[in-house]
Parts: sequence; C-alpha cells; structure tokens
Amino acid sequence: SQTIHQWPATLVQPVGSPLSLECTVEGTSNPNLYWYRQAAGRGLQLLFYSVGIGQISSEVPQNLSASRPQDRQFILSSKKLLLSDSGFYLCAWFQGPLWAFFGQGTRLTVV
Amino acid sequence: KQEVTQIPAALSVPEGENLVLNCSFTDSAIYNLQWFRQDPGKGLTSLLLIQSSQREQTSGRLNASLDKSSGRSTLYIAASQPGDSATYLCAVTTQGGSEKLVFGKGTKLTVNP
Repeated sequence: SQTIHQWPATLVQPVGSPLSLECTVEGTSNPNLYWYRQAAGRGLQLLFYSVGIGQISSEVPQNLSASRPQDRQFILSSKKLLLSDSGFYLCAWFQGPLWAFFGQGTRLTVV
Repeated sequence: KQEVTQIPAALSVPEGENLVLNCSFTDSAIYNLQWFRQDPGKGLTSLLLIQSSQREQTSGRLNASLDKSSGRSTLYIAASQPGDSATYLCAVTTQGGSEKLVFGKGTKLTVNP
C-alpha cells in the first residue's frame, strides 16, 4: 500500500538558521509531489510541486526552495529562516488526478 | 484564478444532530472536488472525492454533493458524534493545468456530547 512519510513532526529554529524538511513516498513510482503551508487563520497554500526528479515548480515567491533528488523524495529547504516562515508544512502525493494523500505535517516555529 | 470559500468558518452542534457544511468555488471548470478532515496538529485525511461528472458521493454517515454549474458543494453529516469534531476542508482541482488542489480555509466543527 502507498504511504507518505514526513519528518520531523515539530521543529523550533532560530531566525537565520537553515531548514530541511523531508518527505518520502512508498508504494508508488513517479508520483506528483507537493509542499503546502498552512498558516494560522489561513487556508493551505501550495508552495511547490514536482512531476519528476529534478523538476520543481514554484507557486509563490518566497524564502524557501524545494528539491527532488530521488523519485520518491521531496525536500523543502531554506538557507536562512524568517519569522514569517513559521507554519504547518504538509507534503502531499496525488494518485493520478484523483485522490490526494497527505503526510502528518511539520509544525515549524521560527523564533 | 480559482478561489474556494467555506461557510461557516466554525460550527458547534449537539451530538446526534444532522448538519451541512458548504463550499463554493469561482471557476466551474473543475476536474474534481474533495472533502478532507484535519484533526488538530495533524495532516489531512481524504473523506470523499467527487469527479466533475458526478453529482454526489456517500461514505457511511457522510454525503457530499456537487453542483458544478453553480460552483457549490455540500458535505452532509448525519447523526453527528463527538468524534466528528475536526476541521473540514474542501478542495478543487481545476481543469487545464497540472494537478493542483486549491483549498478553502475550512469549517471547524465541534460536536458537543
């Protein structure tokens, strides 16, 4: 069966520090992968999506970047975190254009 | 640009009540619509998916309807239980582009015992 793993679950980082969040998918090949951010009082905002290794599309200009070094691995990064980067980050995988599966999320607090 | 709106933002009901959550979207050219459940501090769990050619989907006590022409969907929960307390999110996939879900801000449901 297909599963999606996301870690860490929680993270507290100082302003200006680097960030690396990892997402991996099992049980499928060549998945479309997505990073969403959910800020307090706001809906889920699509940050990046990837349709294959090395293929990254950015939805909004920001302080973050994404990479896909392997077929089932999707990484969200930042060189220097800002206070505004705080939020709940979710990785998602879509089974075709239909069902969407989400990881359990990472709560990032930048202090 | 597709926009999804959910009303109400929060809802509190007594246990056993039937309830309806509303979702509207501005661009009717959708591929599908999904309803998700999110528990506090957790990821999203997909509840129901309605393809653009369908009118409704049912799963247990949940029934979702879709009126694509008017840009509306409803999620009906029958005989609500305290365990149904969560935030319910509606999302659409718009045709013509890559597979991207556009979400509403959700309805926070509290079912009181």
